[in-house]
Amino acid sequence: QITLKESGPTLVKPTQTLTLTCTFSGFSLSTSGVGVGWIRQPPGKALEWLALIYWNDDKRYSPSLKSRLTITKDTSKNQVVLTMTNMDPVDTATYYCAHRPDGRSVFDYWGQGTLVTVSS
Amino acid sequence: VIWMTQSPSLLSASTGDRVIISCRMSQGISSYLAWYQQKPGKAPELLIYAASTLQSGVPSRFSGSGSGTDFTLTISCLQSEDFATYYCQQYYSFPYTFGQGTKLEIK
Repeated sequence: QITLKESGPTLVKPTQTLTLTCTFSGFSLSTSGVGVGWIRQPPGKALEWLALIYWNDDKRYSPSLKSRLTITKDTSKNQVVLTMTNMDPVDTATYYCAHRPDGRSVFDYWGQGTLVTVSS
Repeated sequence: VIWMTQSPSLLSASTGDRVIISCRMSQGISSYLAWYQQKPGKAPELLIYAASTLQSGVPSRFSGSGSGTDFTLTISCLQSEDFATYYCQQYYSFPYTFGQGTKLEIK
């Protein structure tokens, strides 16, 4: 059974760096083809893909946020970490991590999401 | 970047109805399209991938079709639990993009 759960601060100040951790179980990020992605959703708005890390440590980022994002994995801890620098109120959103299965770049299991508010 | 136009943004229907949601791409993506369902306060759930392949456990009243630039999600015989927001996602190329969503509400 695959599960994922996001953790991190619920409130950050403008210009601060956000660090979110996705802790998962039921799969290994050392398995060929597997990945973990981050997707966010501002309140009342659509989903936005942010980043994806693969089993082989290949990484992909949204071009509009690439300069601010870093995604890393710790296979031994079953964790993926996303950092986003220079946070702004427009970054207020629910942040989700999700499992990318081998063979197709969809997200078949999602965490519950964590709401991050950016405010002074 | 591949842009997506999802329509309608709001759809009113009744239980038992058949509804169709459309997703149009700014360029061809073969069949690299997925559909998700999201209920208020919950994470999205994968319904369909590869444009027409039903994810395991998804009821057969959901179906997807299309290739290239035009795709549809059809829900036949709406059930009460189907009233939610639906998103399409292309995974043909980075950056992955999602549609703006279709909120399916009870008429």
